[in-house]
Amino acid sequence: EVQLVESGGGLVQPGRSLRLSCAASGFTFDDYAMHWVRQAPGKGLEWVSGISWNSGSIGYADSVKGRFTISRDNAKNSLYLQMNSLRAEDTALYYCAKDHWVTVAGKGTRFDYWGQGTLVTVSS
Amino acid sequence: DIQMTQSPSSLSASVGDRVTITCQASQDISNYLNWYQQKPGKAPKLLIYDASNLETGVPSRFSGSGSGTDFTFTISSLQPEDIATYYCQQYDNLFTFGPGTKVDIK
Repeated sequence: EVQLVESGGGLVQPGRSLRLSCAASGFTFDDYAMHWVRQAPGKGLEWVSGISWNSGSIGYADSVKGRFTISRDNAKNSLYLQMNSLRAEDTALYYCAKDHWVTVAGKGTRFDYWGQGTLVTVSS
Repeated sequence: DIQMTQSPSSLSASVGDRVTITCQASQDISNYLNWYQQKPGKAPKLLIYDASNLETGVPSRFSGSGSGTDFTFTISSLQPEDIATYYCQQYDNLFTFGPGTKVDIK
């Protein structure tokens, strides 16, 4: 059974940093691209960042480019999101999602498994 | 950037009704479109990929069609467990989700 378990969320002041983690199990982690998707309270889904199976292809939403860094450790079956210079508008539930393919945004891409999310609140 | 719109933003229908949601892309995305269901308090779930392909294990009352800029998602016979918000997602140029359509039972 595929499982994705996010952690690392919490309350943080504007301008500070936070690192999210996603522990994956139940599939061959290094065969697939992975993504972070967020959802602000009461709002819709926003793709944040994605990383290919070997970290060779990485993408970011314009809203986080230059502030967030995605990475993965295939030996530890883990995905990470380093979030710097946090803003109030980054407040959201952050989901880790598995891609169906190895690359970011290749034909046939879809997010076929999702974690339950970790909540990040940016407030003074 | 590719923008996605959905209509309606919400709808109420009776059990057994046919429900249709439309999704429009700001430019041609071929069939690079997926549909997700999100129930309250839960993570999203993939229902349809590549505009019209049913994900494994998803009931056949769900279907999708379209290509280019205009897409349709249909529930052929609405069931109580279908209460959720439905999102389209393009992946022609990175990823963009539509704003969602909230489906309720009348």
